Amino acid sequence: DQQVKQNSPSLSVQEGRISILNCDYTNSMFDYFLWYKKYPAEGPTFLISISSIKDKNEDGRFTVFLNKSAKHLSLHIVPSQPGDSAVYFCAASTSGSARQLTFGSGTQLTVLP
Amino acid sequence: GAGVSQSPRYKVAKRGQDVALRCDPISGHVSLFWYQQALGQGPEFLTYFQNEAQLDKSGLPSDRFFAERPEGSVSTLKIQRTQQEDSAVYLCASSLVFPSGLALETQYFGPGTRLLVL
Repeated sequence: DQQVKQNSPSLSVQEGRISILNCDYTNSMFDYFLWYKKYPAEGPTFLISISSIKDKNEDGRFTVFLNKSAKHLSLHIVPSQPGDSAVYFCAASTSGSARQLTFGSGTQLTVLP
Repeated sequence: GAGVSQSPRYKVAKRGQDVALRCDPISGHVSLFWYQQALGQGPEFLTYFQNEAQLDKSGLPSDRFFAERPEGSVSTLKIQRTQQEDSAVYLCASSLVFPSGLALETQYFGPGTRLLVL
C-alpha cells in the first residue's frame, strides 16, 4: 500500500527546457511535502518543500505545486541543466507524528545537453 | 562536521553475522531518523529518536533490529543474525526542531551505509 507514488520511473528532458516531475499521495493527513535529489552513492539532498497551507513554493529554478483536492504535487525545474540529472524523490509527512517521511519510489531525471 | 556522517560506508556480512552501523548527526540536531532503502525503491522509515529517547520504532522489520542513541547525539543501528533480505542502504537523517504542527522541518541525510549480506 504505497501512500506516496511516483508513477514515472524515468524522464528525459533537453537542456534549457522545463522538467516536470509528478507525485501523487493517498493519505489526506499528509500536511508537509518535500522533494529530495539523490546522486549515486550519496544520500538524498533536500531540494524544496511546501506546507499544505500553500499551493506553490518557489526557490530559484525550482517550483513545487500542491493540489490538495487532487492529492497531487509536482516539481518544475526551469531551465533544466545537465547537473540536474539525478533521482528525485517526493516525500510527505503528517503533523502530530514523529515527522517520519514517507517516500515515493523516485524518478530518474536525465537532462540531455 | 558540516553534515550527517555515517560509517562504515560499505559493509559485507556473512548471513548470521551481527553488524553495527553508526550515524553522527549534525551538531545540535534534536531529531534523528533511520531509514532503509532497498534497490530501486524510496527510503522507508525504521525508527526515530528525539534526543536520547526512542519515540517511534514502528518501522523496524523484526526484533533483530535495534537502535540506540544513549547520549542524544551519535546513534547506532544494530542488526543481529543478518539475513540476505537485510541487504539495503541504511540512511540516517537529522533535523533541528521538535515535531510540531505545521512548522517547516527538513531532514538532512547522510550518505548511507550499503549493507550486503551474503
